[in-house]
Amino acid sequence: GAVVSQHPSWVICKSGTSVKIECRSLDFQATTMFWYRQFPKQSLMLMATSNEGSKATYEQGVEKDKFLINHASLTLSTLTVTSAHPEDSSFYICSANSGLAGTQYFGPGTRLLVL
Amino acid sequence: GDSVTQMEGPVTLSEEAFLTINCTYTATGYPSLFWYVQYPGEGLQLLLKATKADDKGSNKGFEATYRKETTSFHLEKGSVQVSDSAVYFCALRATGNQFYFGTGTSLTVIP
Repeated sequence: GAVVSQHPSWVICKSGTSVKIECRSLDFQATTMFWYRQFPKQSLMLMATSNEGSKATYEQGVEKDKFLINHASLTLSTLTVTSAHPEDSSFYICSANSGLAGTQYFGPGTRLLVL
Repeated sequence: GDSVTQMEGPVTLSEEAFLTINCTYTATGYPSLFWYVQYPGEGLQLLLKATKADDKGSNKGFEATYRKETTSFHLEKGSVQVSDSAVYFCALRATGNQFYFGTGTSLTVIP
């Protein structure tokens, strides 16, 4: 079945640095990918919709200059957390749709810890 | 906007007990509805889904029926097992393919 991968799976960084997380659809093309974050013992919150070849659409309250999204190709979207701070520590999950009304596949997530 | 309201947990049941986790939604248009499960330390896994009113999704003994009249998609299982212990998320897929999740319900099944 369709697989979505994320890299890295774990990242620890110092406060003030930037971190890039990759999301890849491994055996299908995805014109749209989605980025979520999940705090411990809480639900997933949609951050933004990543569109191939155009700007991402951010949910209300999500800082677009803080969370930079680039959908470089039909199989790759990246989320860059700029100038990360401890409150950005979270579990970041991406997803991709395999077709117009196809199944949504979720990546395994990336755990970010900012010290 | 679109949203999902899910029964809060945690829920603790004995093995072979009946499970119900309530989920209601608010949406414009006609969303698809999903239940996802997250086992400890793992990512989300699709449990079941329903794409239109009166559809019943089922998998691994779990069932949920898309009820448009009550805007609900309650998850049920007749006899839970220890291996069902996980966090369950109700979700809807909006017209733009974005997902909106409920807060999650933690289920613990004790032998």
